[in-house]
Amino acid sequence: KNQVEQSPQSLIILEGKNCTLQCNYTVSPFSNLRWYKQDTGRGPVSLTIMTFSENTKSNGRYTATLDADTKQSSLHITASQLSDSASYICVVLNNAGNMLTFGGGTRLMVKP
Amino acid sequence: DAEITQSPRHKITETGRQVTLACHQTWNHNNMFWYRQDLGHGLRLIHYSYGVQDTNKGEVSDGYSVSRSNTEDLPLTLESAASSQTSVYFCASSPGRPQETQYFGPGTRLLVL
Repeated sequence: KNQVEQSPQSLIILEGKNCTLQCNYTVSPFSNLRWYKQDTGRGPVSLTIMTFSENTKSNGRYTATLDADTKQSSLHITASQLSDSASYICVVLNNAGNMLTFGGGTRLMVKP
Repeated sequence: DAEITQSPRHKITETGRQVTLACHQTWNHNNMFWYRQDLGHGLRLIHYSYGVQDTNKGEVSDGYSVSRSNTEDLPLTLESAASSQTSVYFCASSPGRPQETQYFGPGTRLLVL
């Protein structure tokens, strides 16, 4: 069964600190992996999309990594800001049927 | 600017009633999707469409239906609302290829009493 597991479920950090969110998946065959940011009360917004051949991808202070061999991804947030408080969702697309599998998300709270 | 909108944003209804949630996008995207989001679950796919007159069932389609009569709209209908359908519903759209990112609407919060 295709699954995407994220950890931790929730995280509290101080403003200005860095943090790393984890994503493990069992989706096969793999097509791409996406990280979305979802602010409270809003729809998810795409941060990055990574294909099999990409190890690292950055979007401003967000850097995603992908290890297709171990089926793991991480999202690193540098110099966190209060506006980074949100849920971060890892999503994997499989090649068979082109279906997305969503992780349960990590809820990040950045405190001043 | 092109966008994707959902209406209503909030809805309270009673069990057994028919409810329709609207989704409208102005990007001219071929693909449109409906998801529900519940605590303890990731987003789950209800129905999707790859173009006009095309509709397909997703992971949790029981009790829901969709129709695609034009490119811009994909309304979601709950035929006979049940309390288990209390949820937040998100519509999304994407261009032709599934590998491309999906753009999500703001969501509709539905409460079935």
